[in-house]
Amino acid sequence: AAGVIQSPRHLIKEKRETATLKCYPIPRHDTVYWYQQGPGQDPQFLISFYEKMQSDKGSIPDRFSAQQFSDYHSELNMSSLELGDSALYFCASSFQGAGKLTFGSGTRLTVV
Amino acid sequence: TQLLEQSPQFLSIQEGENLTVYCNSSSVFSSLQWYRQEPGEGPVLLVTVVTGGEVKKLKRLTFQFGDARKDSSLHITAAQPGDTGLYLCAGKVDSSYKLIFGSGTRLLVRP
Repeated sequence: AAGVIQSPRHLIKEKRETATLKCYPIPRHDTVYWYQQGPGQDPQFLISFYEKMQSDKGSIPDRFSAQQFSDYHSELNMSSLELGDSALYFCASSFQGAGKLTFGSGTRLTVV
Repeated sequence: TQLLEQSPQFLSIQEGENLTVYCNSSSVFSSLQWYRQEPGEGPVLLVTVVTGGEVKKLKRLTFQFGDARKDSSLHITAAQPGDTGLYLCAGKVDSSYKLIFGSGTRLLVRP
């Protein structure tokens, strides 16, 4: 069965650079969620989209932005990267924002 | 702000022992989910509980949702090394899309 695909799996950036993370949800899933998980931490909700519109906003810094495209894939854009942005970034998808969330394998971002 | 607290944070037990992980909040959730996460991978859903007082069993795992839908527990019988991992509870409130994760319980089952 198709899963949530995230790319890249690993990313190394320098401070003040920008990064773009991509997420391809399970086919027919219309809701996408972004989470940030620091070392030894639980996942922190950043933002979600339902039918290409922002549906919920969490602790997403102003330096970050995200959108969901017409094919339901989503991109998380991160600018002016800081050392503290180093984390695992997970994308999850669901159908109509209900029930089971299926998570991708994550993108490990390292800011040096 | 909904806050889900899990206890214990860390648990190291011998194979064959039983254990219980707790997930508590002062908020009411429309549903509560339990996930297991392996290092470097995304959380994988184990179960969703919706009704207050609901009990669900998944082989050696028993999940319970509190009557008031503010807390939940995960009980593992005869733990095995393959149960090792990070266990996360996550709650969903009505009219919200976001899932709030608990602080997590790191379980180590020693052979």
